[in-house]
Amino acid sequence: QITLKESGPTLVKTTQTLTLTCTFSGFPLSTDRVGVGWFRQPPGKALEWLALIYWGVDKHYSPSLETRLTILKDTSKNQVVLIMTKMDPGDTATYYCAHRRPPSAGDWFDAWGQGIPVTVSS
Amino acid sequence: EIVLTQSPATLSLSPGERVTLSCRASQSIHNYLAWYQQKRGQAPRLVISDATNRATGIPARFSGSGSGTDFTLTISSLEPEDFAVYYCLQRSDWPLTFGGGTKVEIK
Repeated sequence: QITLKESGPTLVKTTQTLTLTCTFSGFPLSTDRVGVGWFRQPPGKALEWLALIYWGVDKHYSPSLETRLTILKDTSKNQVVLIMTKMDPGDTATYYCAHRRPPSAGDWFDAWGQGIPVTVSS
Repeated sequence: EIVLTQSPATLSLSPGERVTLSCRASQSIHNYLAWYQQKRGQAPRLVISDATNRATGIPARFSGSGSGTDFTLTISSLEPEDFAVYYCLQRSDWPLTFGGGTKVEIK
């Protein structure tokens, strides 16, 4: 069974850096083309994809946020970390991480964490 | 960036009714589209992948169709647990993009 859980601060101040950790189980990130993605959802609004990291060195970022985002993995700890700099009240949202199946199994996000609400205060 | 437009924004329906949700892409995305269901306060749940494939554990009343730019999610007979927001997601090109969602609410 695949599980993921987000952790980190739920309140940050404007201009600060947000660091979120996704701790997962049920799959090794060393499996070829398995990935972990990060998403967010402002209150009452649609989902937005932020970043994705694969086994190996492949990483992808949302172009609108690329200069502020870094995604890292620690395969020994089964963790993926998202770092977002220069936080703004517009970044207030629930942040999710999700498991991406390898292309051989359909290449979609099929398991999600419960989400972590993050509020940015000015 | 590929834009996904979902319509309508809201549907008010009764249990037992048939519902059809639309997702239109700004350019061809072949069949690289998925549908997600999200209930209030919960994470998204994969319903349909590659436009037509039901995900594990999804009831047969859910079906997906379409290719290219026009896609449809159909629920043949609404059950109380189906009232939720549905999002489409494309993986044809970077960045991954979602539609704005369709809320299926109880009439």
